[in-house]
Amino acid sequence: EAQVTQNPRYLITVTGKKLTVTCSQNMNHEYMSWYRQDPGLGLRQIYYSMNVEVTDKGDVPEGYKVSRKEKRNFPLILESPSPNQTSLYFCASSARPNGGYTFGSGTRLTVV
Amino acid sequence: GDSVTQMEGPVTLSEEAFLTINCTYTATGYPSLFWYVQYPGEGLQLLLKATKADDKGSNKGFEATYRKETTSFHLEKGSVQVSDSAVYFCALRGQNFVFGPGTRLSVLP
Repeated sequence: EAQVTQNPRYLITVTGKKLTVTCSQNMNHEYMSWYRQDPGLGLRQIYYSMNVEVTDKGDVPEGYKVSRKEKRNFPLILESPSPNQTSLYFCASSARPNGGYTFGSGTRLTVV
Repeated sequence: GDSVTQMEGPVTLSEEAFLTINCTYTATGYPSLFWYVQYPGEGLQLLLKATKADDKGSNKGFEATYRKETTSFHLEKGSVQVSDSAVYFCALRGQNFVFGPGTRLSVLP
């Protein structure tokens, strides 16, 4: 089944403790992206990647890192999480320049 | 830069009512246009899309037509059901994806 898989689905962590949210797609998509969704703010793009080793900042990249060493994986790294990074995170991938996104199921992160 | 504007709602309708959610966009070139739906507790799912002017996307009784002259992509459904209650996002893809703020739809029995 074609899908984008994020892990974990839920995570509660403490301020400053490094964490990684994994994202993997099995559709051989070139384009991958991370979003956060917050009430009243809609979807905001954090980082995106056009292909392996090609990443770029989205609208809200501060406090996040990404890497794209393989086509299928696009992990989101929070080196020193803070409470304002409490949010619902979505990974998404897309095949063609005009293709639509396939979204993962989301990761709900709480930083205390 | 590119942008998407949509009515923010919430929109509350009775079952079998007609639905319109307005979406307008600003973009250079010829973006592809999308509607996504997010059901409670789930991720976003592609509902329909259109890739060029005058294309009509349709799925599950929903329709939207790519109108370049009015830069619009309004979502319509002739008869909504309670199961259509969700948040609907209009989006475009030019150089990058741009999403509207989402419209929450509640359908009452």
